[in-house]
Amino acid sequence: GAGVSQSPRYKVAKRGQDVALRCDPISGHVSLFWYQQALGQGPEFLTYFQNEAQLDKSGLPSDRFFAERPEGSVSTLKIQRTQQEDSAVYLCASSLEGNPSGELFFGEGSRLTVL
Amino acid sequence: RKEVEQDPGPFNVPEGATVAFNCTYSNSASQSFFWYRQDCRKEPKLLMSVYSSGNEDGRFTAQLNRASQYISLLIRDSKLSDSATYLCVVNRVSSGGSYIPTFGRGTSLIVHP
Repeated sequence: GAGVSQSPRYKVAKRGQDVALRCDPISGHVSLFWYQQALGQGPEFLTYFQNEAQLDKSGLPSDRFFAERPEGSVSTLKIQRTQQEDSAVYLCASSLEGNPSGELFFGEGSRLTVL
Repeated sequence: RKEVEQDPGPFNVPEGATVAFNCTYSNSASQSFFWYRQDCRKEPKLLMSVYSSGNEDGRFTAQLNRASQYISLLIRDSKLSDSATYLCVVNRVSSGGSYIPTFGRGTSLIVHP
């Protein structure tokens, strides 16, 4: 498909388990963002990549959260020792430009439930 | 205080009504402004960009007031299919010089017959 693809769509984890969420952006898109969206809230910024460079990770809530985009395309968001407060939808978005002033294209999200 | 503030609603309006949403942002250095639409359990999608001169797209009109740090969205002749959450988005400039799209919590619109 031509859109942003995220997997898994749904993940149930036991508290303390590690999880990895994958994002396949639109081919050729320079910018990639990760957001966390809790129920009834807007997407909250986590981290930003321009190609393989992680230019901003100020939104990552703790050092349990780690993201990478080693070859400038696919990105992985890893959450170690998951906690119940990590339950949310994790959205990945890409944009054609670096430092985008245009449209963000979102994936359908990965819904994480931590028991 | 959140960087982008919106009234969460819900706004409950009859078909055909005109409804307006507002959004304020705190960082005067913000660049680029947008409205996104998010349907229930779906991803956000761009509705329209917001330009300083104001802009219109069919039944939708967006306006920006930089002096007051205020953005608005007007929907005329509401349709049932307009029912959704409308997210205000402001590109703030981070300390490293990156443009970070920052979302409000969204305003819920329910259009009823």
